Amino acid sequence: EAGVAQSPRYKIIEKRQSVAFWCNPISGHATLYWYQQILGQGPKLLIQFQNNGVVDDSQLPKDRFSAERLKGVDSTLKIQPAKLEDSAVYLCASSARLAGGLTDTQYFGPGTRLTVL
Amino acid sequence: AQTVTQSQPEMSVQEAETVTLSCTYDTSESDYYLFWYKQPPSRQMILVIRQEAYKQQNATENRFSVNFQKAAKSFSLKISDSQLGDAAMYFCAYRDGARGSNYKLTFGKGTLLTVNP
Repeated sequence: EAGVAQSPRYKIIEKRQSVAFWCNPISGHATLYWYQQILGQGPKLLIQFQNNGVVDDSQLPKDRFSAERLKGVDSTLKIQPAKLEDSAVYLCASSARLAGGLTDTQYFGPGTRLTVL
Repeated sequence: AQTVTQSQPEMSVQEAETVTLSCTYDTSESDYYLFWYKQPPSRQMILVIRQEAYKQQNATENRFSVNFQKAAKSFSLKISDSQLGDAAMYFCAYRDGARGSNYKLTFGKGTLLTVNP
């Protein structure tokens, strides 16, 4: 079974530029998550999708971050304009939806390391 | 809000010996899950072990086992017969289990494990 795919693996941009990250979850996984991991910290949830609907985006800085999940499969996370403090690893994860509305373990992609200069 | 605390920023162990990583958490929920994830330098978050709060029996996966103390809200990871490949950052994570809850993971800050040959 193929895992969660992410691209690019690395990205370096100047502040105020825009950037986009792509995620392809495990086939059949209904729930998709984007986490931000700043150096020396644990990941923090930015946004969670259930199919193509947003479940939780309370921690997403909506003035500069946006995300969408096309047709309930792939997802794109965008930052525009980027700030220095956005330098981090962006992790995508997915999980299956179990019977009874419960959800299974989250499986993570390799992440995208963003450096904002 | 739930919080997860890992009080050991760094730990080291000799190859073939045993090491225990500590984790405490705070929640008012009775139904939840706890996880240990491993993150090597490649950045891929790999699930090590998972514990359901309603299960009294401690989870075990080969050389990895947990000591789950629900009343004390403690969830430690024991690695037996440590191998060089076990060297990584280890994150403890919490997730609500109740149906209809968000299912997002709340992570601790991590413990960097070094394995000495």
